[in-house]
Amino acid sequence: DGGITQSPKYLFRKEGQNVTLSCEQNLNHDAMYWYRQDPGQGLRLIYYSQIVNDFQKGDIAEGYSVSREKKESFPLTVTSAQKNPTAFYLCASSISARPINQPQHFGDGTRLSIL
Amino acid sequence: KQEVTQIPAALSVPEGENLVLNCSFTDSAIYNLQWFRQDPGKGLTSLLLIQSSQREQTSGRLNASLDKSSGRSTLYIAASQPGDSATYLCAVNFGNEKLTFGTGTRLTIIP
Repeated sequence: DGGITQSPKYLFRKEGQNVTLSCEQNLNHDAMYWYRQDPGQGLRLIYYSQIVNDFQKGDIAEGYSVSREKKESFPLTVTSAQKNPTAFYLCASSISARPINQPQHFGDGTRLSIL
Repeated sequence: KQEVTQIPAALSVPEGENLVLNCSFTDSAIYNLQWFRQDPGKGLTSLLLIQSSQREQTSGRLNASLDKSSGRSTLYIAASQPGDSATYLCAVNFGNEKLTFGTGTRLTIIP
């Protein structure tokens, strides 16, 4: 089955630690996205990538980093500079980013908590 | 500022009733609008996508409408079932590469 796989489902971070969230898709989509979801707030865009080896900052990129070395993979690193990382992180993909006229497909998310 | 609003935040409806979920947006110059469903602890599932040139889209018991001039979209669910219980999110593309999301309406269907 085609889809988006996020791992791990739950992740715990210690103070001063960087952690990496995995996102893999087998839909052959060019565009991939990372969102953060907090209670009572809508999804907020962290980073997005329209094509391999290219990515752009979203609305809340500070304290995060990404890479796009392969079409199917778009890992997100939550660095120690992100002071409030506890949230539900969602990865998405679409056939193309410009223009967005196809639906975005989402993974099942990673819940990150602070120890 | 381009914003998307969904009111109410929560809604309870007896099984079998028809219902309408609301979404409003601040800028009428939208590219398209998507409705998503999110089950607890899960990702989002795309339900319907309406392009700016369209007035409505239908899928099974779901019908989404778009009125750009008034900055509103509605998601109509016919003959509601307990399995429809979820949070429904509206997202708007205002002409760039990203979606702007509302905060969602948590729907509970009472058996």
